[in-house]
Amino acid sequence: GAVVSQHPSRVICKSGTSVKIECRSLDFQATTMFWYRQFPKQSLMLMATSNEGSKATYEQGVEKDKFLINHASLTLSTLTVTSAHPEDSSFYICSAGPADTQYFGPGTRLTVL
Amino acid sequence: ILNVEQSPQSLHVQEGDSTNFTCSFPSSNFYALHWYRWETAKSPEALFVMTLNGDEKKKGRISATLNTKEGYSYLYIKGSQPEDSATYLCASPSWVGRDDKIIFGKGTRLHILP
Repeated sequence: GAVVSQHPSRVICKSGTSVKIECRSLDFQATTMFWYRQFPKQSLMLMATSNEGSKATYEQGVEKDKFLINHASLTLSTLTVTSAHPEDSSFYICSAGPADTQYFGPGTRLTVL
Repeated sequence: ILNVEQSPQSLHVQEGDSTNFTCSFPSSNFYALHWYRWETAKSPEALFVMTLNGDEKKKGRISATLNTKEGYSYLYIKGSQPEDSATYLCASPSWVGRDDKIIFGKGTRLHILP
């Protein structure tokens, strides 16, 4: 069964609103989780590393004030897309894992109208 | 729910040897298979996107085949080099009801021994 879940799987929102995406590890504790986005026909791109109890580490070019990451517990990381715009429409995927094994979530399809 | 399986989970190969590993997926409702080369905490590097039964793609020393009827894909590496050490992921997008999902296998971790 799935070991990493994401919620929601699909969200449609109006431009200017904020959207929260959850990533949960189901049967292990994850001090670190990773957030990716995938544009159509392109590869996954790492956005940020979510660290439990401390600030996330963002990749170059990713706006930390726009993509807020909170990793408040060992099983949950959230990504909030603030003031979403149509160009933020994408597939957002998280991964987490015990030790050096990573499992990917099923992804969240965000569509901003 | 789509289930993507990869085997073996881990593989040690002597430098210079060739190797291959497998990705299997349900053959119903198939429309694409992605192969990635991935190091943790980095963006996965896309290797191939395969869509047609019988497809064979090649990139340098790496090649892949696809059998959509029986639901498997092989990734081959010829003459392994240290820089080939990585986790190789396969993933299959899926449309289930009104939701699309992308389901990843757990990966094959390849270690090249000097």
